[in-house]
Amino acid sequence: GAVVSQHPSRVICKSGTSVKIECRSLDFQATTMFWYRQFPKKSLMLMATSNEGSKATYEQGVEKDKFLINHASLTLSTLTVTSAHPEDSSFYICSATPSPYEQYFGPGTRLTVT
Amino acid sequence: EDQVTQSPEALRLQEGESSSLNCSYTVSGLRGLFWYRQDPGKGPEFLFTLYSAGEEKEKERLKATLTKKESFLHITAPKPEDSATYLCAVSNTGNQFYFGTGTSLTVIP
Repeated sequence: GAVVSQHPSRVICKSGTSVKIECRSLDFQATTMFWYRQFPKKSLMLMATSNEGSKATYEQGVEKDKFLINHASLTLSTLTVTSAHPEDSSFYICSATPSPYEQYFGPGTRLTVT
Repeated sequence: EDQVTQSPEALRLQEGESSSLNCSYTVSGLRGLFWYRQDPGKGPEFLFTLYSAGEEKEKERLKATLTKKESFLHITAPKPEDSATYLCAVSNTGNQFYFGTGTSLTVIP
């Protein structure tokens, strides 16, 4: 149980284009999903908290117009990196919560912006 | 302020050499303490949730314990495939999560 998927697992895009990453909870409903960014050999950096049917809450320093988050249903949240630049290249991980105090993570998405 | 500190930052063990990873925490009201395993290029994989002091959970060569101030992840007779980064996290009564920076474990054959 508690399986979270992400798609795509890897994506390469050109600078200036937008990329959408999907996060799905496969066997439970998730009122809340989280989006993290992880740099090489570093810990998870929380970007935003996404609640179904409402606007995402972004952490300080995260540009909400650049990282668009949509939590349209209890099993799907999307992160769109708009007008991507090489410095946006990173490993993006989502997590979903079957209850308010548990988190299960997706496998991550490696974004490379050329 | 709620926070989580993991030690050591890195640990190298010979295959079969048992050891423990530490997770010290300060939290206003503990809802749960979580251990995850993360392999390079992958998302964290859930291992255990502990809810109250004195609780213990086991899975294969791993055993997690919890006190009011810290948690230990004991690894018994580790194998090279146990090499990974182990993350600790807590959630509080406000449903906020705090992560440690992880312990990178390398098990040498």
